[in-house]
Amino acid sequence: AQTVTQSQPEMSVQEAETVTLSCTYDTSESDYYLFWYKQPPSRQMILVIRQEAYKQQNATENRFSVNFQKAAKSFSLKISDSQLGDAAMYFCAYSNDKIIFGKGTRLHILP
Amino acid sequence: DGGITQSPKYLFRKEGQNVTLSCEQNLNHDAMYWYRQDPGQGLRLIYYSQIVNDFQKGDIAEGYSVSREKKESFPLTVTSAQKNPTAFYLCASSIDLGLAGGYYNEQFFGPGTRLTVL
Repeated sequence: AQTVTQSQPEMSVQEAETVTLSCTYDTSESDYYLFWYKQPPSRQMILVIRQEAYKQQNATENRFSVNFQKAAKSFSLKISDSQLGDAAMYFCAYSNDKIIFGKGTRLHILP
Repeated sequence: DGGITQSPKYLFRKEGQNVTLSCEQNLNHDAMYWYRQDPGQGLRLIYYSQIVNDFQKGDIAEGYSVSREKKESFPLTVTSAQKNPTAFYLCASSIDLGLAGGYYNEQFFGPGTRLTVL
């Protein structure tokens, strides 16, 4: 069965610094998608970034980028130039025939 | 604007009463989902529906029921059989990314409903 593990329940980063959130997953499939979702205090889930497993190039969306290591089944999220508005719960998710979420990492931004 | 709406935002229920949470989408998505979120637990799947008039149980379906009479609507009923219903409930719909013959879904979420049992 597929699983998604986020090993850091909470993290803190100084404003304007860079932070990396970790995610590992387990699957026997070769084709799938990986996602990072953000849930701010409003609790609205927002898609941050998407990675297709067959693409070797790491996805990037403005200050957000991923380090996708398919062989290691690792999918970390890097946030550059952290801003106060980045404070949120971040969920890693894997999708093949269904979507599976990790338990989340709460990110605090220190002013 | 296309999106997913959930109502109400806050809901209070007396113990022993059934209550129905609304979820509507105008994204023309075939699949819809209900999740429950508790502190430290992430998202747990309650029910999902991939097509009108069909739905399947998720990981924690006991004490819940759903219907899917229209593509746009997927209401969730929390029954009196649900032992610990106080939680945050999220509805989602998904688009089929459809690559390589598979079914990959990217989910779009509503704003959620906070249910409190008094």
